[in-house]
Amino acid sequence: EVQLLESGGGLVQPGGSLRLSCAVSGFAFSTDAMSWVRQSLGKGLEWVATISASGHSTYYADSVKGRFTISRDNSNNTLSLQANSLRAEDTAIYYCATTSGSHLLLHHWGQGTLVSVSS
Amino acid sequence: DILMTQSPSSLSASVGDRVTITCRASQNINRYLSWYQQKPGKAPKLLIYAASTLENGVPSRFSGSGSGTDFTLTISSLQPEDFATYYCQQRYSFGQGTVLEIK
Repeated sequence: EVQLLESGGGLVQPGGSLRLSCAVSGFAFSTDAMSWVRQSLGKGLEWVATISASGHSTYYADSVKGRFTISRDNSNNTLSLQANSLRAEDTAIYYCATTSGSHLLLHHWGQGTLVSVSS
Repeated sequence: DILMTQSPSSLSASVGDRVTITCRASQNINRYLSWYQQKPGKAPKLLIYAASTLENGVPSRFSGSGSGTDFTLTISSLQPEDFATYYCQQRYSFGQGTVLEIK
């Protein structure tokens, strides 16, 4: 069974930083791209970042470009998102998800971790 | 960036009804269109990809169609477990969602 478990969320002040992690088990982690998708409370889904299976290629939404960094450790089956210069509008549930094919299908999702940016 | 627009934003229906949700892309996306279902407090679940291909395990009452800029998700006979929010996705872009509520 594929399992994704996010951690690292919490309350942070504007301008602060957080590092989110996603521990993956039950599938060949190094063969799939991975993504972070967020959802503001009561709102829709927003794609945040994607990293290729090898880790050599990344994509960022304009809203986070230059502030967030996605990375992965294929030896430890872990995905990370370093979020710096956080803003109130970054407040959301952050999901990690496996990402496959040219359609960027999000097959498997974690349960999400809540990031709250507030003073 | 490609803009994905869903309609309606919300929909009330009864068990057994046939419902259709529409997703329109701001430019031609061929068949690069997926549909997700999200229930309250849960992560989204992939239902359909490549516009019309059902993900493994998804009931056959769900179907998708379309190509180019206009796509539809149809539920042929609503079941109680189908009341949820539905999102279309084209690569890095999501539609704003359609909330399917019980009438």
